[in-house]
Amino acid sequence: DTGVSQNPRHKITKRGQNVTFRCDPISEHNRLYWYRQTLGQGPEFLTYFQNEAQLEKSRLLSDRFSAERPKGSFSTLEIQRTEQGDSAMYLCASRSLAETQYFGPGTRLLVL
Amino acid sequence: GEDVEQSLFLSVREGDSSVINCTYTDSSSTYLYWYKQEPGAGLQLLTYIFSNMDMKQDQRLTVLLNKKDKHLSLRIADTQTGDSAIYFCAESTSGTYKYIFGTGTRLKVLA
Repeated sequence: DTGVSQNPRHKITKRGQNVTFRCDPISEHNRLYWYRQTLGQGPEFLTYFQNEAQLEKSRLLSDRFSAERPKGSFSTLEIQRTEQGDSAMYLCASRSLAETQYFGPGTRLLVL
Repeated sequence: GEDVEQSLFLSVREGDSSVINCTYTDSSSTYLYWYKQEPGAGLQLLTYIFSNMDMKQDQRLTVLLNKKDKHLSLRIADTQTGDSAIYFCAESTSGTYKYIFGTGTRLKVLA
């Protein structure tokens, strides 16, 4: 399977804990996106990487959120001191210059 | 700011055509997309259209774009029960990174 993969698929954590999610994009794609999707809503843009450079961050991405793509391949999204309002599906997507985005299956986070 | 709106629900009978509508506000939108999301899954790209096109057909799917009214529609011919899902409209503008998604239309196909 050469699609976008995300791990873990599900995460349950207690409020105040830190969590980290991983995204492996399609191998030839140099552009990578993170989105958050809450129930009944469409995906909301969080951040964008071109290769290893983080070129845009949404105001939704508070100081508790950090994303990295150290070698321009996989990416991680970390949420520190999780809050119940962070409960959502976190989606990763990748694309090359000439193509549109392809999404991974998402990581569903539940903060208790 | 940019906004994309869709109706929340659509119910059709198997074999009928479905038409899902979307309106957007950004007149500089370059690309418009339709994605499908099944329960618990990520988004699957169905089709997309450049803003200089009026129509695009791909097997059972027909996309119509009215740029003047900023209105996009997706027609699914001969709708099947497997088409039951949430359909998202999205737009992007050349030179920017963001894709703006609508809230999604839940399509229910009745047997």
